[in-house]
Amino acid sequence: EDKVVQSPLSLVVHEGDTVTLNCSYEVTNFRSLLWYKQEKKAPTFLFMLTSSGIEKKSGRLSSILDKKELFSILNITATQTGDSAVYLCAVALNTGTASKLTFGTGTRLQVTL
Amino acid sequence: NAGVMQNPRHLVRRRGQEARLRCSPMKGHSHVYWYRQLPEEGLKFMVYLQKENIIDESGMPKERFSAEFPKEGPSILRIQQVVRGDSAAYFCASSHLGEGHQPQHFGDGTRLSIL
Repeated sequence: EDKVVQSPLSLVVHEGDTVTLNCSYEVTNFRSLLWYKQEKKAPTFLFMLTSSGIEKKSGRLSSILDKKELFSILNITATQTGDSAVYLCAVALNTGTASKLTFGTGTRLQVTL
Repeated sequence: NAGVMQNPRHLVRRRGQEARLRCSPMKGHSHVYWYRQLPEEGLKFMVYLQKENIIDESGMPKERFSAEFPKEGPSILRIQQVVRGDSAAYFCASSHLGEGHQPQHFGDGTRLSIL
């Protein structure tokens, strides 16, 4: 069975801290790995990673994929209270033109003042 | 309006009634996916549709649940004879036609509550 595991399950940090969120996976027919941020509503897309070792960066967020060890990390530097959310990792499986996603249960991040 | 639109945002039904959830994909997207999120759990894939076709329904319960994406109009997820265990948030996502490496973009979801 395809599996995506995220750690930690939850995390509380102070504003300004740097955090690293982890995602490991065991799936057949891997296509890509995606990170989403979910506040109260829609998961919003952050990154899609398909190649090992290439860091993707957007402002204070960055992510990298290791296809040999089957994991990815999401880094957030200089955290702000607006970063408080559930961060979801998902793996897209190669099932044709477009792929269904298998999600982890998420890491709940709380950034305090 | 560029995003995935879902309605209603909240839906309350009594046991045994029918629930209909609607999803309009992003403009230019013809791939639609439905996911279910139970409290304290991750999103679980239910069904993947293209216009007028169900491509993959491996995550959808065999009974009471059905989905369609007609040539005109939104995609519909239909749950007949709802039970308490159907209470969840149902999210729709869409992606672009013909590109294999496009991220899925999600709507705000429909929160279904069964009394």
